[in-house]
Amino acid sequence: QSALTQPASVSGSPGQSITISCTGTSSDVGSYNLVSWYQQHPGKAPKLMIYEGNKRPSGVSNRFSGSKSGNTASLTISGLQADDEADYYCCSYAGSSRVFGGGTKLTVL
Amino acid sequence: QVQLQQWGAGLLKPSETLSLTCAVYGGSFSGYYWSWIRQPPGKGLEWIGEINHSGSTNYNPSLKSRVSISVDTSQNQFSLKLSSVTAADTAVYYCARGRIAPAAPVKGSTRFDPWGQGTLVTVSS
Repeated sequence: QSALTQPASVSGSPGQSITISCTGTSSDVGSYNLVSWYQQHPGKAPKLMIYEGNKRPSGVSNRFSGSKSGNTASLTISGLQADDEADYYCCSYAGSSRVFGGGTKLTVL
Repeated sequence: QVQLQQWGAGLLKPSETLSLTCAVYGGSFSGYYWSWIRQPPGKGLEWIGEINHSGSTNYNPSLKSRVSISVDTSQNQFSLKLSSVTAADTAVYYCARGRIAPAAPVKGSTRFDPWGQGTLVTVSS
Protein backbone atom coordinates (compact mmCIF):
# COMPACT_ATOMS: atom_id res chain seq x y z
CA GLN A 1 0.00 0.00 0.00
CA SER A 2 1.08 3.59 -0.59
CA ALA A 3 1.43 6.04 2.26
CA LEU A 4 -1.55 8.20 3.09
CA THR A 5 -1.26 11.79 1.83
CA GLN A 6 -0.87 14.60 4.34
CA PRO A 7 0.16 18.24 3.79
CA ALA A 8 3.83 18.72 4.60
CA SER A 9 3.14 21.65 6.88
CA VAL A 10 0.41 23.74 8.43
CA SER A 11 0.59 26.74 10.72
CA GLY A 12 -1.62 28.79 12.96
CA SER A 13 -1.51 31.41 15.69
CA PRO A 14 -2.22 30.71 19.35
CA GLY A 15 -5.94 30.41 19.96
CA GLN A 16 -6.77 29.63 16.34
CA SER A 17 -7.96 26.31 14.89
CA ILE A 18 -6.21 24.25 12.24
CA THR A 19 -7.15 21.13 10.32
CA ILE A 20 -4.80 18.49 8.94
CA SER A 21 -6.08 16.26 6.16
CA CYS A 22 -5.16 12.64 5.49
CA THR A 23 -6.16 11.22 2.14
CA GLY A 24 -6.15 7.52 1.38
CA THR A 25 -8.08 5.18 -0.86
CA SER A 26 -11.15 2.98 -0.81
CA SER A 27 -8.84 0.17 0.42
CA ASP A 28 -7.88 1.91 3.64
CA VAL A 29 -9.40 5.17 4.93
CA GLY A 30 -12.52 4.78 2.82
CA SER A 31 -13.23 1.20 3.87
CA TYR A 32 -12.80 1.48 7.63
CA ASN A 33 -13.54 4.03 10.33
CA LEU A 34 -10.20 3.05 11.85
CA VAL A 35 -7.98 6.08 11.41
CA SER A 36 -5.71 7.07 14.28
CA TRP A 37 -3.65 10.23 14.76
CA TYR A 38 -0.28 10.60 16.51
CA GLN A 39 1.61 13.62 17.82
CA GLN A 40 5.40 13.49 17.80
CA HIS A 41 7.64 16.07 19.39
CA PRO A 42 11.29 16.18 18.23
CA GLY A 43 13.31 13.27 19.54
CA LYS A 44 10.29 11.68 21.22
CA ALA A 45 8.11 8.67 20.53
CA PRO A 46 4.72 9.28 18.91
CA LYS A 47 1.68 9.72 21.17
CA LEU A 48 -1.84 8.57 20.30
CA MET A 49 -4.24 11.51 20.07
CA ILE A 50 -7.29 10.18 18.20
CA TYR A 51 -8.45 6.65 17.36
CA GLU A 52 -11.32 5.05 15.44
CA GLY A 53 -11.76 8.31 13.61
CA ASN A 54 -13.06 10.52 16.40
CA LYS A 55 -12.33 8.98 19.81
CA ARG A 56 -9.89 10.52 22.29
CA PRO A 57 -7.78 8.44 24.70
CA SER A 58 -8.01 9.34 28.34
CA GLY A 59 -5.89 12.39 29.07
CA VAL A 60 -5.96 13.90 25.60
CA SER A 61 -7.42 17.39 25.46
CA ASN A 62 -10.86 17.86 23.91
CA ARG A 63 -9.22 20.52 21.73
CA PHE A 64 -8.28 17.59 19.48
CA SER A 65 -11.00 16.09 17.30
CA GLY A 66 -11.21 13.81 14.28
CA SER A 67 -13.58 13.27 11.39
CA LYS A 68 -13.82 11.45 8.08
CA SER A 69 -15.48 11.97 4.73
CA GLY A 70 -15.03 9.40 2.02
CA ASN A 71 -11.36 8.59 1.58
CA THR A 72 -10.16 11.59 3.62
CA ALA A 73 -9.77 11.81 7.39
CA SER A 74 -9.08 15.05 9.22
CA LEU A 75 -7.61 16.14 12.54
CA THR A 76 -8.73 19.47 13.95
CA ILE A 77 -6.93 21.24 16.77
CA SER A 78 -8.79 24.15 18.30
CA GLY A 79 -7.44 26.82 20.62
CA LEU A 80 -3.87 26.29 19.42
CA GLN A 81 -1.20 26.30 22.11
CA ALA A 82 2.56 26.54 21.83
CA ASP A 83 3.00 22.93 22.95
CA ASP A 84 0.87 21.73 20.02
CA GLU A 85 3.84 22.48 17.75
CA ALA A 86 4.90 19.01 16.60
CA ASP A 87 4.68 16.52 13.76
CA TYR A 88 1.35 14.77 13.28
CA TYR A 89 0.81 11.42 11.58
CA CYS A 90 -2.37 9.67 10.54
CA CYS A 91 -2.61 5.89 10.29
CA SER A 92 -5.28 3.66 8.82
CA TYR A 93 -6.13 0.01 9.09
CA ALA A 94 -5.70 -1.44 5.60
CA GLY A 95 -6.62 -5.08 5.86
CA SER A 96 -3.38 -7.01 5.74
CA SER A 97 -1.38 -3.95 6.72
CA ARG A 98 -1.45 -0.62 8.49
CA VAL A 99 -0.51 2.48 6.54
CA PHE A 100 0.77 5.79 7.87
CA GLY A 101 0.68 9.25 6.35
CA GLY A 102 3.89 11.07 5.51
CA GLY A 103 3.44 13.45 8.42
CA THR A 104 2.53 17.12 8.83
CA LYS A 105 4.66 19.66 10.66
CA LEU A 106 2.49 22.01 12.69
CA THR A 107 4.02 25.39 13.44
CA VAL A 108 2.43 27.62 16.06
CA LEU A 109 3.30 31.16 15.01
CA GLN B 1 0.47 2.10 33.76
CA VAL B 2 2.02 -0.03 31.06
CA GLN B 3 5.55 0.84 29.93
CA LEU B 4 7.58 -0.59 27.06
CA GLN B 5 11.36 -0.80 27.21
CA GLN B 6 13.33 -1.88 24.17
CA TRP B 7 16.92 -2.76 23.41
CA GLY B 8 19.16 -4.22 20.70
CA ALA B 9 22.21 -3.66 18.55
CA GLY B 10 22.47 -0.16 17.12
CA LEU B 11 25.07 -0.65 14.39
CA LEU B 12 24.93 -3.32 11.73
CA LYS B 13 26.75 -4.10 8.50
CA PRO B 14 24.86 -4.73 5.25
CA SER B 15 23.47 -8.28 4.97
CA GLU B 16 23.39 -8.79 8.75
CA THR B 17 20.25 -9.47 10.77
CA LEU B 18 18.67 -6.77 12.92
CA SER B 19 17.51 -8.02 16.30
CA LEU B 20 15.50 -6.01 18.85
CA THR B 21 13.55 -6.95 21.97
CA CYS B 22 10.81 -5.10 23.80
CA ALA B 23 9.74 -5.80 27.39
CA VAL B 24 6.29 -4.92 28.71
CA TYR B 25 5.96 -3.75 32.29
CA GLY B 26 2.95 -2.92 34.43
CA GLY B 27 0.09 -4.25 32.38
CA SER B 28 -1.57 -7.28 30.84
CA PHE B 29 0.26 -9.01 28.03
CA SER B 30 -2.75 -10.82 26.63
CA GLY B 31 -5.58 -9.16 24.75
CA TYR B 32 -3.30 -6.95 22.66
CA TYR B 33 -1.16 -7.07 19.56
CA TRP B 34 2.50 -6.13 20.11
CA SER B 35 3.87 -4.12 17.23
CA TRP B 36 7.06 -2.85 15.63
CA ILE B 37 7.12 0.45 13.74
CA ARG B 38 10.12 2.25 12.24
CA GLN B 39 11.03 5.78 11.23
CA PRO B 40 13.99 6.57 8.93
CA PRO B 41 15.85 9.72 9.94
CA GLY B 42 13.80 12.78 9.00
CA LYS B 43 11.04 10.67 7.46
CA GLY B 44 7.65 9.22 8.31
CA LEU B 45 6.49 6.11 10.13
CA GLU B 46 6.26 2.61 8.66
CA TRP B 47 4.43 -0.29 10.27
CA ILE B 48 6.54 -3.46 10.29
CA GLY B 49 4.30 -6.04 11.90
CA GLU B 50 2.75 -7.40 15.09
CA ILE B 51 2.17 -10.45 17.23
CA ASN B 52 -0.31 -11.38 19.94
CA HIS B 53 0.28 -13.46 23.07
CA SER B 54 -0.77 -16.61 21.22
CA GLY B 55 1.86 -16.06 18.56
CA SER B 56 -0.49 -14.97 15.78
CA THR B 57 1.34 -12.53 13.49
CA ASN B 58 0.55 -9.90 10.88
CA TYR B 59 3.31 -8.44 8.72
CA ASN B 60 3.68 -5.52 6.32
CA PRO B 61 3.57 -7.22 2.89
CA SER B 62 6.51 -5.09 1.71
CA LEU B 63 8.77 -6.48 4.47
CA LYS B 64 7.23 -9.90 5.05
CA SER B 65 9.98 -11.89 3.35
CA ARG B 66 12.62 -10.52 5.73
CA VAL B 67 10.70 -10.07 9.01
CA SER B 68 10.10 -12.39 11.91
CA ILE B 69 8.36 -11.35 15.15
CA SER B 70 8.31 -13.70 18.12
CA VAL B 71 6.90 -13.60 21.64
CA ASP B 72 8.03 -14.86 25.06
CA THR B 73 4.99 -14.76 27.31
CA SER B 74 6.97 -16.00 30.33
CA GLN B 75 8.99 -12.78 30.24
CA ASN B 76 6.31 -10.47 28.76
CA GLN B 77 8.66 -9.74 25.88
CA PHE B 78 8.47 -9.74 22.12
CA SER B 79 11.23 -9.53 19.54
CA LEU B 80 11.90 -8.39 15.99
CA LYS B 81 14.31 -9.90 13.50
CA LEU B 82 14.89 -8.29 10.12
CA SER B 83 17.26 -10.14 7.83
CA SER B 84 19.57 -9.01 5.03
CA VAL B 85 19.57 -5.38 6.12
CA THR B 86 20.74 -2.56 3.85
CA ALA B 87 21.26 1.15 4.35
CA ALA B 88 17.56 1.61 3.58
CA ASP B 89 16.77 -0.14 6.87
CA THR B 90 18.51 2.59 8.88
CA ALA B 91 15.83 3.97 11.15
CA VAL B 92 14.58 4.48 14.67
CA TYR B 93 12.69 1.32 15.54
CA TYR B 94 9.80 1.57 17.99
CA CYS B 95 7.86 -1.13 19.77
CA ALA B 96 4.25 -0.33 20.65
CA ARG B 97 1.14 -1.90 22.12
CA GLY B 98 -1.42 -2.45 19.41
CA ARG B 99 -5.01 -2.23 20.53
CA ILE B 100 -7.90 -3.86 18.77
CA ALA B 101 -11.31 -2.42 17.94
CA PRO B 102 -13.72 -5.00 19.39
CA ALA B 103 -16.71 -3.75 17.41
CA ALA B 104 -14.90 -3.77 14.08
CA PRO B 105 -14.83 -6.88 11.88
CA VAL B 106 -11.06 -6.70 11.39
CA LYS B 107 -8.00 -8.76 12.34
CA GLY B 108 -5.23 -7.25 14.41
CA SER B 109 -4.50 -3.87 15.88
CA THR B 110 -6.13 -0.62 14.88
CA ARG B 111 -4.13 1.83 17.02
CA PHE B 112 -0.81 2.00 18.87
CA ASP B 113 -0.52 3.16 22.46
CA PRO B 114 1.85 3.41 24.26
CA TRP B 115 5.18 3.31 22.45
CA GLY B 116 8.66 2.36 23.54
CA GLN B 117 11.46 4.88 23.66
CA GLY B 118 12.86 3.94 20.25
CA THR B 119 16.18 2.45 19.18
CA LEU B 120 18.29 3.95 16.40
CA VAL B 121 19.63 1.21 14.16
CA THR B 122 22.25 2.25 11.65
CA VAL B 123 23.31 0.02 8.77
CA SER B 124 26.73 0.94 7.42
CA SER B 125 29.76 -0.85 6.08
